[in-house]
Amino acid sequence: EVQLVESGGGLVKPGGSLRLSCDTSGFTFDSYSMNWVRQAPGKGLEWVSSIGKSGIYTYYADSVKGRFTISRDNAKGSLYLQMNSLRAEDTAVYYCVRVGFGNVYWYFALWGRGTLVTVSS
Amino acid sequence: EIVMTQSPATLSVSPGERATLSCRASQSVSSNLAWYQQKPGQAPRLLIYEASTRATDIPARFSGVGSGTEFTLTISSLQSEDFVVYYCQQYHKWPLTFGQGTRLENK
Repeated sequence: EVQLVESGGGLVKPGGSLRLSCDTSGFTFDSYSMNWVRQAPGKGLEWVSSIGKSGIYTYYADSVKGRFTISRDNAKGSLYLQMNSLRAEDTAVYYCVRVGFGNVYWYFALWGRGTLVTVSS
Repeated sequence: EIVMTQSPATLSVSPGERATLSCRASQSVSSNLAWYQQKPGQAPRLLIYEASTRATDIPARFSGVGSGTEFTLTISSLQSEDFVVYYCQQYHKWPLTFGQGTRLENK
């Protein structure tokens, strides 16, 4: 069974840092690009960041560029998001997401359950 | 940035009827368009990719058409579990962008 399990969310003060993790199983992790997508409370979906299967190529939304860093450990089957200089507007559920079979296109085929990040003083 | 606009924001339809949801891109995204369904308290689920290909285990009552800038998700014969929120997403160009969502409401 394919699983993506996020962890690391919580309450953090503005300007603080947090590192999200996503542990995966049930598929060949290093064959797939991975992503983070977030959803603020009561709002729509927002793409945050993506990383290619080798980890060489990374992409960021303008709203997080320079503050967030995506990375992966293919040996562990894990995806990470280091979040620095956090702002109130970063408050959201953060989903770990795998691209579709064949790793050809950047649509979001498999989703974790998400981890809530709350930025508040 | 490619802006995705979904319409309507809320669609009221009766069970058993057909629902047609629209998604428009601010520039061509070719067929690089996906649709997602999100139930309350759950992660989104992929329904359609490449504008018209159903994802694994998605019922045949869900269908997608379109290319370029105009796309449609049709749900034929609505079931009770279909009255939730739907999003479109383009993956033609970075940054990847979503529409704001359409809420399907039981009339």
